[in-house]
Formats: sequence, C-alpha cells, structure tokens
Amino acid sequence: EDQVTQSPEALRLQEGESSSLNCSYTVSGLRGLFWYRQDPGKGPEFLFTLYSAGEEKEKERLKATLTKKESFLHITAPKPEDSATYLCAVQAGTSGTYKYIFGTGTRLKVLA
Amino acid sequence: NAGVTQTPKFRVLKTGQSMTLLCAQDMNHEYMYWYRQDPGMGLRLIHYSVGEGTTAKGEVPDGYNVSRLKKQNFLLGLESAAPSQTSVYFCASSYPPGPYEQYFGPGTRLTVT
Repeated sequence: EDQVTQSPEALRLQEGESSSLNCSYTVSGLRGLFWYRQDPGKGPEFLFTLYSAGEEKEKERLKATLTKKESFLHITAPKPEDSATYLCAVQAGTSGTYKYIFGTGTRLKVLA
Repeated sequence: NAGVTQTPKFRVLKTGQSMTLLCAQDMNHEYMYWYRQDPGMGLRLIHYSVGEGTTAKGEVPDGYNVSRLKKQNFLLGLESAAPSQTSVYFCASSYPPGPYEQYFGPGTRLTVT
C-alpha cells in the first residue's frame, strides 16, 4: 500500500537550533516529492519539488534532500517565523493513474 | 492575481442541510482538487477534475458531489450534511499530471451540528 509517513509529529526548537524533519515513503512509481508549509488557519504553501534520489533544493534556511526511501527537510538556524506545519506529499503511479499522497505533517515550533 | 479563492470561509450547518462550496482559480490550471483535512489524518482527496466538464472520485468521495462547468471554477456539494463531514475543506489546482506542485486556497471551515 502506498504510504507517506512524517516524523516527528511535533518539534520544538530554540531559535538558532538546527534540525531535520523526515518524510519516508513507500510508493510505486515515484514521480515527484513535494514539501509544503502550512500556517494555522491557512492553506498549504508550496516549498520544493524533488524528482530523483540525490537531488537537493534550498530556499533561505530550508534545504530539502531526497533518497530512494525518504526525504529530509533541514532547517538551519531557525527563527520564530519558521514555526508552522510542514507537509510532505508524493506523486506516484503509472501513466493515467497518478496519485497524490500527503503525510500528516510535522508541527514545528521555534522559540525565541 | 488572486490564485485560488474559496467561499465561504466558515459555515455551520445542521444535520441534513445542504450547501455548496465554491472554488475559483485564475492561473488557467487544468487540474483542480477538493481535499478535507482532519486532525491526525492529513489531507484526503475527495474529488478531482482533469479539465472542464470532467470529474473523478478521490479517496473519500461518499456524501459529496462536484461539478466543473467552467475551467476556472470547481464546486463541492453536500446534499445532506452529517456530523462526520465537519472538517476543513481545501481546494487546490495544478497543471496537468506533472509532477507539478498544487496551489491551495485558504480553506473553508465547516461544522455540522
């Protein structure tokens, strides 16, 4: 069964304390892995797309990496404004039967 | 450029009442989606559309109907609301299969009493 699992469920960091969020997946025919940020009361906001193992993408304090079984979202020297829920999603399947599967997210709280 | 908009933002229904949620996008996307988000369960796909005049069932379609009469609009209907449909509903849109990222609306918080 296709599955996306994120860990930890929640994470509290001090400002400046770097850490990583994990997204592990078991799917057939991975076409892309996506990271989104979701603030309370708002819709998810797209961050990154990763297409193949070994790929990395960076944006400000965030860096996303991909292996054949998991992806990491590294947060370097986080600030309070990085507090949000981070969602991972994969698009998988064969031609004509693509699925888009979301994980349940990691709630990140960065303390000043 | 408004992106994806949803109306209404909040709604309270009594069991058995009906309502329609409206989603509009101005990015000329072919694909549109309706999700529900519940605590601890992540986003679950209700219905989606791959183009004007087409709709398809997602993971949790029971109790919902949809229509895509115009490319920019995607409507989600609840014919007879149940307390189990209390949730936050998100609409999203994207280019064809891709893999392309999805763009989400701000959500509609629905409570069914």
